[in-house]
Amino acid sequence: DGGITQSPKYLFRKEGQNVTLSCEQNLNHDAMYWYRQDPGQGLRLIYYSQIVNDFQKGDIAEGYSVSREKKESFPLTVTSAQKNPTAFYLCASSIGRERLNEQFFGPGTRLTVL
Amino acid sequence: AQSVAQPEDQVNVAEGNPLTVKCTYSVSGNPYLFWYVQYPNRGLQFLLKYITGDNLVKGSYGFEAEFNKSQTSFHLKKPSALVSDSALYFCAVRAITSGTALIFGKGTTLSVSS
Repeated sequence: DGGITQSPKYLFRKEGQNVTLSCEQNLNHDAMYWYRQDPGQGLRLIYYSQIVNDFQKGDIAEGYSVSREKKESFPLTVTSAQKNPTAFYLCASSIGRERLNEQFFGPGTRLTVL
Repeated sequence: AQSVAQPEDQVNVAEGNPLTVKCTYSVSGNPYLFWYVQYPNRGLQFLLKYITGDNLVKGSYGFEAEFNKSQTSFHLKKPSALVSDSALYFCAVRAITSGTALIFGKGTTLSVSS
């Protein structure tokens, strides 16, 4: 069953802690993305990667870090430097570097800072 | 700068009536436009896209969208709404400065009453 998985579904973090959100895809997609969703603000791009071992900052990368060591995996770390991390985080992937391809989204991780 | 606007936070329609969810865009060059739908606490599902060709694009679940270059609009439409269409709808445009990532509108909540 192909698709994108994100784990955990819900995550609680104490202030000052780093946490890592998992994103895995078995679609053989080259490109992967992380978005943050806040109520009334739509989705904002955190980081994206178009190929293994390469990634680029999006619009709101401060306080986040990523890695892309494997094609199928693109984990996101929310560091203690992120001032307001409570949000819904969505991972997505697309077939290649072409701009014409739609993105497929995972089910999301809801992060709450206690 | 590229941007997408969804001027209505909420659209209310009765079941069986036609629905329209509005989207306008601002891009330099040719626009690549997308519509996604999101159900509560879920990821986004792709509905349709406009790349080139016919201005009327047909997508999933009976939805279609009309591309209007002169009005820089890409409105989502459906001839007969269902209660199950109630969800959050996002319009997006392919970003030029962020590789293959998307720029999203803030979303429009569609509520279909029985």
